[in-house]
Amino acid sequence: NAGVTQTPKFQVLKTGQSMTLQCAQDMNHNSMYWYRQDPGMGLRLIYYSASEGTTDKGEVPNGYNVSRLNKREFSLRLESAAPSQTSVYFCASRPSTGSNTEAFFGQGTRLTVV
Amino acid sequence: GNSVTQMEGPVTLSEEAFLTINCTYTATGYPSLFWYVQYPGEGLQLLLKATKADDKGSNKGFEATYRKETTSFHLEKGSVQVSDSAVYFCALMSGGSYIPTFGRGTSLIVHP
Repeated sequence: NAGVTQTPKFQVLKTGQSMTLQCAQDMNHNSMYWYRQDPGMGLRLIYYSASEGTTDKGEVPNGYNVSRLNKREFSLRLESAAPSQTSVYFCASRPSTGSNTEAFFGQGTRLTVV
Repeated sequence: GNSVTQMEGPVTLSEEAFLTINCTYTATGYPSLFWYVQYPGEGLQLLLKATKADDKGSNKGFEATYRKETTSFHLEKGSVQVSDSAVYFCALMSGGSYIPTFGRGTSLIVHP
């Protein structure tokens, strides 16, 4: 049981380049999330998908787009990368029913924009 | 809205010392409460949880009790090890919401 899988694990981009971060979960979860983690800032929600077919903005959506391709996959796209997007990105998923269920996280993508 | 406040770190302890990391929350209704741990270079993973008032969550020697009267969920461990060095996140989940609320995380450093 792989859980939440993110690819790639590391990436270096030049300013202005585009890329897509991939995330897939095999737990049949309805809800999926993208966070960024920066020193001293904790986790900040970029976008989330409450269920297949829906996506919504989180706290810091500017400069990002997402696609909920199917129930398993939720991708994050940077159209024109900026140095301010250097961060560690985490994908997470959880069953949407009930408040007593925890989130499951991927291992993260460490992105550097130069 | 919902919020979680954790003590700022880093918390630096010697091995076998007693650990407390404070967490207080603001939420509507009756949330579930969680502690996650993040080891260096890894994603967050659930450490323990409690889903109603007075419940105690426990795992790997860590404990936390859901205190509704003080809106707190403090993490404790009687004797820390070097391998406990990590960042700890307190979080809550309200019924009817799709979005977990996380604290900013507290870094724990344990010296031999």
